[in-house]
Formats: sequence, structure tokens, C-alpha cells
Amino acid sequence: AQKVTQAQTEISVVEKEDVTLDCVYETRDTTYYLFWYKQPPSGELVFLIRRNSFDEQNEISGRYSWNFQKSTSSFNFTITASQVVDSAVYFCALSEDTGRRALTFGSGTRLQVQP
Amino acid sequence: KAGVTQTPRYLIKTRGQQVTLSCSPISGHRSVSWYQQTPGQGLQFLFEYFSETQRNKGNFPGRFSGRQFSNSRSEMNVSTLELGDSALYLCASSMPLAGGQDTQYFGPGTRLTVL
Repeated sequence: AQKVTQAQTEISVVEKEDVTLDCVYETRDTTYYLFWYKQPPSGELVFLIRRNSFDEQNEISGRYSWNFQKSTSSFNFTITASQVVDSAVYFCALSEDTGRRALTFGSGTRLQVQP
Repeated sequence: KAGVTQTPRYLIKTRGQQVTLSCSPISGHRSVSWYQQTPGQGLQFLFEYFSETQRNKGNFPGRFSGRQFSNSRSEMNVSTLELGDSALYLCASSMPLAGGQDTQYFGPGTRLTVL
């Protein structure tokens, strides 16, 4: 069975600090897909990134960067120079390559960025 | 392109009643998935529909059902509501790709309160 663990329940930082959100996953599949979503107070899950298991390149998008390491089954997310608008709950999710379009989500990390 | 829309946004029902939630996917997306989000259980997969057929189902009782129409719009129904059904119900749509690599885009959710 697949599992996603986000050990950090809540993180509080001051604006302009860098912050890393951890994600550790378990799966028996050799091909799988990892996602990060952001959930602001409005409730909608906003897609941030998808990573395929066969592509271990790290990715940077503006202030966001992702570090995928298969050796440690981790897919961590870093926000550089955090802003108040980054305050939200962030979810890491896993999808296996079985055609079963069922995302397995972690429990989420609530990020509070203080001005 | 318009995003995923869900109606209604808020619902209050009493135990024993039934409820129907609606979801309109992004134009061109033919797969619709439903998730339940509660503080205790987090985000859990309910079911997925493609071409008017339920392809996958999560571990929920038969009181939870759904359907998809020829225009890809989907509805989910919960019969004999229980207090524990109070949750945010999220709908997601995707353009089905091989395996499980689709990116699912979520709507704003329907917040159901059962009294």
C-alpha cells in the first residue's frame, strides 16, 4: 500500500525567511507520480507541481523549488523568501502508475508566514 | 479556461437526509474524481468517473454514490446522512493520460454540515 507522510504539522516563519516542507512517501511501484498542492483558507486545492519517478531533476519555479530524492523516498518543497500570501496548508500526494486515478495525500503542513 | 466548479458551496442537512453535490469539470477534461476532507481523516479518495463509468472507488460505504453525464459533469450522492459525513467534498478533473500521471485540478469544494 502507498503512504505519504508529512511529519511537520505546522510551521511558523517570519516573512522573508526560507522554509522547507518535508514529504516522505512509500510505494511498491517503480513508476509513480508525486504532487504538491496548496490549500488556502478558501478551501480549493491549487496544483503546484508534478514529478515523475523516473525524473529526479530538481525544479525551481520562482521562489519555489522542489528536491526529489528516490534514495530517501523524499520530495521536499522549499519556499525562498517567504511572503504572507504563502500562508496555507500544503499537501504532498502520490499517484501510482496503475491507471487508478486516486491520489494518496499526506496529512498536510500548515504554513503561517508572519509579517 | 474556466476551472472546476462545484455547487452548492455550502449545505446544511440533518441526519437521515440525503444530499446531491454537483461538479462541472474543466472543459475537455473527461475524468472526474471526488475526495472527502475531514479534520480527522484528512483527504480521502471517494471515486473516479470516466466516460460515464465509475472506474475506481475508495473505501467508503455504499451510501456514497455518484454518476457522470455525457458532458462529463458529475454528481455525487450521499444517502442516510450521518454526523460523520460532515466534511469538505472536493471534486477534481483531469485529462486522462496513460497510467496515473494525470494532473488533477480541484474545484473549491462543497462544505457539508450534518446536524
